[in-house]
Amino acid sequence: DAKTTQPPSMDCAEGRAANLPCNHSTISGNEYVYWYRQIHSQGPQYIIHGLKNNETNEMASLIITEDRKSSTLILPHATLRDTAVYYCIGANTGNQFYFGTGTSLTVIP
Amino acid sequence: GAVVSQHPSRVICKSGTSVKIECRSLDFQATTMFWYRQFPKQSLMLMATSNEGSKATYEQGVEKDKFLINHASLTLSTLTVTSAHPEDSSFYICSARAGGSTYGYTFGSGTRLTVV
Repeated sequence: DAKTTQPPSMDCAEGRAANLPCNHSTISGNEYVYWYRQIHSQGPQYIIHGLKNNETNEMASLIITEDRKSSTLILPHATLRDTAVYYCIGANTGNQFYFGTGTSLTVIP
Repeated sequence: GAVVSQHPSRVICKSGTSVKIECRSLDFQATTMFWYRQFPKQSLMLMATSNEGSKATYEQGVEKDKFLINHASLTLSTLTVTSAHPEDSSFYICSARAGGSTYGYTFGSGTRLTVV
């Protein structure tokens, strides 16, 4: 599985877009980029995933660079409930997930 | 959507006793489930891969005789922490994937184990 690197923490003003970067320079061609978040004392929650193309769902957008070495998760209008630790994971479907250290996002009122 | 139920959510046990944690896939079958452990302010650490009908695969450094995993059916995996000690106190989380999906894994809500 690809090793991922994320900034340890970020702040974002409520209502503004939160842009969370992830470096996965060793990702292989058939590994997806998955994003999860974990709110304190809960299990991780799926957000979005992608292979090559940018993706959007009701929660977020995922921008993957053309060389697939990095990606950015975008929460378009951050709310206080988006305060969590966000994990970026590179993995093949069906393989186990190895979590990195993630980014602790704090949404500020 | 796929739901993974984990039970109990919290458990306190005495040192030296054993504790069983259940992980169920409620609306799908899972031939493979995963068990993680998370210490305070740390990331999730994969402990083992639970395989239906066969032995679990443990990550390096995880004691298989201490953390017994049983995956007897396509919807249930159990983790038993044997002879628990205070250092086993942690947040244990399981995950599973609905077959054929690329959506990654669904995680349980976790079990907070405190050994006193």
